[in-house]
Amino acid sequence: SQELEQSPQSLIVQEGKNLTINCTSSKTLYGLYWYKQKYGEGLIFLMMLQKGGEEKSHEKITAKLDEKKQQSSLHITASQPSHAGIYLCGAAMEYGNKLVFGAGTILRVKS
Amino acid sequence: DTEVTQTPKHLVMGMTNKKSLKCEQHMGHRAMYWYKQKAKKPPELMFVYSYEKLSINESVPSRFSPECPNSSLLNLHLHALQPEDSALYLCASSQDISVGYEQYFGPGTRLTVT
Repeated sequence: SQELEQSPQSLIVQEGKNLTINCTSSKTLYGLYWYKQKYGEGLIFLMMLQKGGEEKSHEKITAKLDEKKQQSSLHITASQPSHAGIYLCGAAMEYGNKLVFGAGTILRVKS
Repeated sequence: DTEVTQTPKHLVMGMTNKKSLKCEQHMGHRAMYWYKQKAKKPPELMFVYSYEKLSINESVPSRFSPECPNSSLLNLHLHALQPEDSALYLCASSQDISVGYEQYFGPGTRLTVT
């Protein structure tokens, strides 16, 4: 969706390296969701952010939402082959849990 | 348990066929969603049900007909589809339709229209 810009489009990292994926909107986000998808499969929920400045972590993945609630980043520390997949940010930009997704970031981790 | 199940896993149908996709959740969620995902594209919302009532229809063609018989079940009836309707159809559910409730997705049904 052009309402939600996600970058980079793809990423190849060496195992053990850190990486960051960004998600930017021109509109205020009421909720920002991060998902992971393996090709042809369902989406796995990672994290949800709602408040400006909010930061959440789960295992080696940290997600942040900026103060203006227009940009979010997903940071993976010490990447592993199990982190490989497609990362999607989804945003609720109006009342109601109607999600618009970014184009996705394909992550490959080389061991 | 955050499981959403979808059947069938794969479906091949002709343009004159009628078929249905099924989605089920037992998490007590009151909002359920259908998304369509074309190859190498992000999911796009089709329909949203809240408390078993259709809340959002994203201008989806009438050859797609959703149904929510009860709070745990969501169907998508398909009739006279076109080859361009071939896609991964994803079902999701959340506790409520309001923002702030995470949506849990099923594994999807891979639909091929011949």
